[in-house]
Amino acid sequence: DTGVSQDPRHKITKRGQNVTFRCDPISEHNRLYWYRQTLGQGPEFLTYFQNEAQLEKSRLLSDRFSAERPKGSFSTLEIQRTEQGDSAMYLCASTLGLNLGYGYTFGSGTRLTVV
Amino acid sequence: GNSVTQMEGPVTLSEEAFLTINCTYTATGYPSLFWYVQYPGEGLQLLLKATKADDKGSNKGFEATYRKETTSFHLEKGSVQVSDSAVYFCALSDKGAAGNKLTFGGGTRVLVKP
Repeated sequence: DTGVSQDPRHKITKRGQNVTFRCDPISEHNRLYWYRQTLGQGPEFLTYFQNEAQLEKSRLLSDRFSAERPKGSFSTLEIQRTEQGDSAMYLCASTLGLNLGYGYTFGSGTRLTVV
Repeated sequence: GNSVTQMEGPVTLSEEAFLTINCTYTATGYPSLFWYVQYPGEGLQLLLKATKADDKGSNKGFEATYRKETTSFHLEKGSVQVSDSAVYFCALSDKGAAGNKLTFGGGTRVLVKP
């Protein structure tokens, strides 16, 4: 297993279009997280899954955002009716977390540009 | 709530200089502390971590000690190389809260010149 994979690496879309990103975590990791990183800032938590269950969503995740993790494997993050403020790097991370503070493994991210 | 504050960059150094990046935190529980590094065009890589007070994390010549009394986790390296040029993020994970999500500082850009 080569780590956390994200696809695509870059996405340019017009305002108002829908976009979907995919994340493939490390296979034995049961937790998967989505973060958003805007230019010059640290990543901000969006949501996380334990297996297929979405257990927490940040207030940053508006109704236009939806995430899924069918069968507890890969995950998708969809943004509907994109806005320029959605332009950011979307990072996925996975961990075999048991509330013991393990570090996460991050993917390389999907950079979204809304024009 | 939880928060992480780290020194603003950019930090510009000459090769073989000593590097310190300050990080302080506020947490409601008993956090684990991390330093992540982000090289240009890449995702975040875990550099080191410490899970309890007085633990020292170390990796690739970098060190940081979990100081509960000063709520700090400063990153240090004795002799930097050009390849250490990157953005460094301090982060915490509250072990007492469900989810173990990370709270990051704003990042510190480090530029090492030959």
